[in-house]
Amino acid sequence: NAGVTQTPKFRVLKTGQSMTLLCAQDMNHEYMYWYRQDPGMGLRLIHYSVGEGTTAKGEVPDGYNVSRLKKQNFLLGLESAAPSQTSVYFCASRTADRGYAGELFFGEGSRLTVL
Amino acid sequence: DQQVKQNSPSLSVQEGRISILNCDYTNSMFDYFLWYKKYPAEGPTFLISISSIKDKNEDGRFTVFLNKSAKHLSLHIVPSQPGDSAVYFCAASPSHGSSNTGKLIFGQGTTLQVKP
Repeated sequence: NAGVTQTPKFRVLKTGQSMTLLCAQDMNHEYMYWYRQDPGMGLRLIHYSVGEGTTAKGEVPDGYNVSRLKKQNFLLGLESAAPSQTSVYFCASRTADRGYAGELFFGEGSRLTVL
Repeated sequence: DQQVKQNSPSLSVQEGRISILNCDYTNSMFDYFLWYKKYPAEGPTFLISISSIKDKNEDGRFTVFLNKSAKHLSLHIVPSQPGDSAVYFCAASPSHGSSNTGKLIFGQGTTLQVKP
């Protein structure tokens, strides 16, 4: 029972490099989310998707792009990494069946360091 | 503009005693509230939730209380155990009727340490 899987789990980048974080879920969930966690800031929503082919901005979308080409996958891209993007990134998913009242299921996180 | 606030960054309690974690929110559109627990190097895991139509929800050692008029909720853990030591996040879901997106707004987190 994999649930939500994130790859890679660790990555070190140099300023200006690009990379993509992959999130895969095997629960047939409609909704998927990317959050970042920073000390003292909690979890902040970057982008989210309510279905295949759809994406929307969250609280802190600048510097990131996302794509949801397949229902089970949600990709987070950094086109030109900056030190301010050093963080732990969490992907989450949930079913649409319970309306707004449902819990998110999280992956284990991806720790990104930008030098 | 922090819509969900956990003003205590840390809390330390003795094993067997009660742990009380607090959370305040500002957006009256929030209708559903959740608590998550997070261990180091792991993702957050769902703990307990409460709908705005209730003022209390209990699940074993965990109870969440909601005071809508004060825009305040709290998580009680009784009795506290060393394995409860973790970061606890409060989260709220804005209800927008048929256009809901299920997204959650999180607080900053409170680190609970339960001493043996």
